[in-house]
Parts: sequence; C-alpha cells; structure tokens
Amino acid sequence: DAKTTQPTSMDCAEGRAANLPCNHSTISGNEYVYWYRQIHSQGPQYIIHGLKNNETNEMASLIITEDRKSSTLILPHATLRDTAVYYCIVRASYNTDKLIFGTGTRLQVFP
Amino acid sequence: DTGVSQNPRHKITKRGQNVTFRCDPISEHNRLYWYRQTLGQGPEFLTYFQNEAQLEKSRLLSDRFSAERPKGSFSTLEIQRTEQGDSAMYLCASSLVPRGVGETQYFGPGTRLLVL
Repeated sequence: DAKTTQPTSMDCAEGRAANLPCNHSTISGNEYVYWYRQIHSQGPQYIIHGLKNNETNEMASLIITEDRKSSTLILPHATLRDTAVYYCIVRASYNTDKLIFGTGTRLQVFP
Repeated sequence: DTGVSQNPRHKITKRGQNVTFRCDPISEHNRLYWYRQTLGQGPEFLTYFQNEAQLEKSRLLSDRFSAERPKGSFSTLEIQRTEQGDSAMYLCASSLVPRGVGETQYFGPGTRLLVL
C-alpha cells in the first residue's frame, strides 16, 4: 500500500502557484519523498525529490516539514500544460527501488 | 531522443494470444523496471532487473508473465494466453544505481494493451 495520502483533485488558475500537499506520517529516517506527474496517456515524469531540506529545481519546489510527516510540491506559475495527475511517493525500503504509487492528485489548471 | 523507449506503443490482441513488449532503457542505466497501470489507478510494480539479473517479482506477475533482460540492455515482457484483465498500460523505467542506493527512475511512454 502507498505510504502517502493526497487530495483526490485540485484546481489552480493559470499563472498562479499550485500547492500540492502530501501526508506521509509513517516515513522512516532514510526514506526520500519523490514527486512524479503523469499527463494523460503518457508515462510518469520525474519532478523532484528530497530527504529533509527544501529542494528547488527548474520545474518545482519541494517543502518538507521539519518532522518530515508532510510535504508540499509547489509549481510557482502554473500553466495549462501542468494539468496532470501528481504522485507523491515515499521511496520503498533501502534495498529496493520499487516505487509504490497511490492514486495521486489530479491537478486541473484553468485559464 | 535519449530517454526510455517502448515498443509497440499500442497493441490490440485477442484473448488467448501471446504478446511481447520491448523496452530500451536510457543508455548505461543498470536498473530496469516494469510497471502496470490500469485505468484510474497509479502504476503498480511488476518486476525489476539489475543488469541481466531479475531481482524482484511482484505477486502480480503470474505464471503467464515473463520478463527478460538477456544482455543487460533492453528488456522484453511477454504475456502468454492473454486475458481481458491484462488490458492495461505497461510502463518501463530505468535508473542508474551506483551501489545499491536508489536513484531516480525515468519512465518510458508505455505500451497500451487491449485484449478483446
């Protein structure tokens, strides 16, 4: 079972920041938080990952709470092309890389 | 394009037929994964390879499914005697793992299978 919980769906106006929350209250100390997204009928696309510190790349920012029990993915200026299902994943155990996906958050960006 | 590629992109077959899918990982990636995704669900892990060795198989991978990665480069996933329940998107991903510590998996576009 997925170790994360996410809202089923969210809306965001184009040009505004999209803040996608994720709860992972049972995360272990050596487990990373990964974010992927999947645009309709395509394979999942890697966005960002982090352990404890906040991370930023050209696509998004990841804010992880100090207790690591939750995180937020931020798309600073959402566009229509950001409409997708966003998956928050806690990496499985140290010795295996299989990703356990939940059902994700369906983000709809509207004009 | 140097990403993960999968062929075919779409496959329609009749129940009982065998199908084979191919995945070409990113060059020099030593790990290769197969996932399956049904409508409205997130991808589910099937199996993965470290070079040519198949290291883990999910209980989802019934006896009708077999995966190979003979030379540690491309991989094939074969489904024998297909059933309508096998209809799904089959996703391949690859990663570069230095010494057992996980790295980022990059996914291909998937092969969509429809069993009639």
